[in-house]
Amino acid sequence: QVQLVESGGGVVQPGRSLRLSCAASGFRFSNYGMHWVRQAPGRGLEWVAVLWPDGKTEYYADSVKGRVTISRDNSKNTLYLQIHSLRAEDTAVYFCARKPLSEWELSADYWGQGTLLTVSS
Amino acid sequence: AIRMTQSPSSLSASTGDRVTITCRASRGVSSYLAWYQHKPGKAPELLINAALTLQSGVSPRFSGSGSGTEFTLTISTLQSEDSATYYCQQYYSYPLTFGGGTTVEIK
Repeated sequence: QVQLVESGGGVVQPGRSLRLSCAASGFRFSNYGMHWVRQAPGRGLEWVAVLWPDGKTEYYADSVKGRVTISRDNSKNTLYLQIHSLRAEDTAVYFCARKPLSEWELSADYWGQGTLLTVSS
Repeated sequence: AIRMTQSPSSLSASTGDRVTITCRASRGVSSYLAWYQHKPGKAPELLINAALTLQSGVSPRFSGSGSGTEFTLTISTLQSEDSATYYCQQYYSYPLTFGGGTTVEIK
C-alpha cells in the first residue's frame, strides 16, 4: 500500500536552514509528481510546492518562493524540501502528498502524517 | 492568486442530517476542484477531485457538484466518523490554493 513518511522536523532557530524528507513506498515513485503542504498551528492547509516526476518542473507558493527548494531522488524514493532563512511563520506541520498520475490532475491522492517544524530561538 | 472561500466556517449537525458545504472561487476554476477531509493528528484524505469524482474507497454519502466559481460538498447522511475539517482546493492555476476549511461537529 502507498506509504509516505516525513522526517526532519524539529526546533530550529530563525535564520537557519533545514531540509525535510519524505520517504515513499508502495508505488513507483519515479512516475509520480509530489507536493508539499503545510499547516501552521490553529490554521488551515497551505500548499507549498509541487515537483514533477522528472525533477525539473516545479512550482511554489508565493509565500515561500525564493527561500524554498523542492527536490527528489528517484533512486532513493525520497522527496525533499529545503527551507532557507527560516522564519517564525514557517512553524507548521509539513505534509508530503502524491499527485495522481494524470498530467492535468493536480490534487493530492495520498498524504503522509506530517512532520512538525518549529522555528524559535 | 485565486482566493477560495468556504462557508460556513463551522457547523454542528446531528447524525442522519444532510450537510452542505460551499466553496467559492474568486475567479473561474472550471472543474479543477478537490475536497479533502482532515482529522486532527491524521493525514488529510482526498474525497473528491475534478469537482465531482468520488475517490475509490470513499463513502458514497459524500458527493461533489459545481463548476466555474461555485462548488458544493454534500454529506447525505451524517455519521459520527464524519467529524472533521473539510477543505476545498483549486488546481486550475498556480499557486494552488485551499479554502479556509469547514469544521463539522456532531451534536
